[in-house]
Amino acid sequence: DTAVSQTPKYLVTQMGNDKSIKCEQNLGHDTMYWYKQDSKKFLKIMFSYNNKELIINETVPNRFSPKSPDKAHLNLHINSLELGDSAVYFCASSLTQRDNARFFGPGTRLTVL
Amino acid sequence: GENVEQHPSTLSVQEGDSAVIKCTYSDSASNYFPWYKQELGKRPQLIIDIRSNVGEKKDQRIAVTLNKTAKHFSLHITETQPEDSAVYFCAASQRDDKIIFGKGTRLHILP
Repeated sequence: DTAVSQTPKYLVTQMGNDKSIKCEQNLGHDTMYWYKQDSKKFLKIMFSYNNKELIINETVPNRFSPKSPDKAHLNLHINSLELGDSAVYFCASSLTQRDNARFFGPGTRLTVL
Repeated sequence: GENVEQHPSTLSVQEGDSAVIKCTYSDSASNYFPWYKQELGKRPQLIIDIRSNVGEKKDQRIAVTLNKTAKHFSLHITETQPEDSAVYFCAASQRDDKIIFGKGTRLHILP
């Protein structure tokens, strides 16, 4: 199956913990993204990587650290989780940095208690 | 930076009727306008897009129109069906690596 996949699908954790979300795409795309969707369904870009290099960082707290070991993977590590971090996090990819069409992963619902 | 406004936030239409969702954007440099559909609990998926050199684009029951002068664009769904129920997002892009999304429209198709 060619797709964008991410794990885990659900993540429930306590405030103050550190957690990671993994994302992989086997579409051969160059560019990958992390989006946050809050309870009001607002989709906001967090990070963008092109061929493993960071190109967008939308004033996300430095508790969030993306890592791209290769262009097919973009993982998101979050330190010292806060209640306001609860959201659905979507990974996405696009063919190139200049290609606008986004292919989204299935999302990770993060709940911070 | 770019700002995308989307209306209405919720829309209910009778099955078989048409639905129209409208968006405005602020930056005249924006040149790409995609629409995404997100079903309940699922991922957003691109359903149609339009570039600024085109005024209208149609794909079966969905169409998008763009008015560059007024800086607004709209999604039209005709002969609505139950499976059209979802949240729809418009978006605008002025740079090829950054897309700004509207806040979404929750569309309910009534039986």
